[in-house]
Amino acid sequence: QVTLKESGPALVKPTQTLTLTCTFSGFSLTTSGMRVSWIRQPPGKALEWLAHIDWDDDKFYSTSLKTRLTISKDTSKNQVVLTMTNMDPVDTATYYCARIPRNSYYFDFWGQGTLVTVSS
Amino acid sequence: DIQMTQSPSSLSASVGDRVTITCQASQDISNYLNWYQQKPGKAPKLLIYDASNLETGVPSRFSGSGSGTDFTFTISSLQPEDIATYYCQQYDNVTLTFGGGTKVEIK
Repeated sequence: QVTLKESGPALVKPTQTLTLTCTFSGFSLTTSGMRVSWIRQPPGKALEWLAHIDWDDDKFYSTSLKTRLTISKDTSKNQVVLTMTNMDPVDTATYYCARIPRNSYYFDFWGQGTLVTVSS
Repeated sequence: DIQMTQSPSSLSASVGDRVTITCQASQDISNYLNWYQQKPGKAPKLLIYDASNLETGVPSRFSGSGSGTDFTFTISSLQPEDIATYYCQQYDNVTLTFGGGTKVEIK
């Protein structure tokens, strides 16, 4: 079955770079049309899409955050990595990774999320 | 970027009531509109994709309609387990955007 799990630091300091890893199973990012995305949700607030990476290594970023984000994949490890530079307290949020199935643009499977707090 | 205006931001209804949530896109998005349910402390769950298609395993009391810029999500008969926040989400060929969410409570 399809599973995704996020991992990374629970606490980062302002100005630091955040690196999050999504480890997935039950599907392959080498399959044509498959995508994995990152979404975040500040406490008590709405969901915000951050980025996604396609099976063919195309990458797409949120317009407002694209200068700070980098997404990459390691298909041999079934992992997708997101880095976000220059972290600020407003970036405190639960970060989710999610699968976008072939040739579609909805999220059908989600990880459990990981809470990242930005504080000195 | 396309903006999604979701309303209402919250609602209170009785068990058995029909509940309707709307989402308006700032530009035509065809039928690239999806709906999710999120319960506290949990990841969102896909309910409706491509505006009107019910995800496998989702109860038939949930439905969606619309195309272009105006979309509607309906719970035909609200159940206690439907207490959650609901989000719409669009795709515009480049980016994806969520609506602001609708918190549904029992009256």
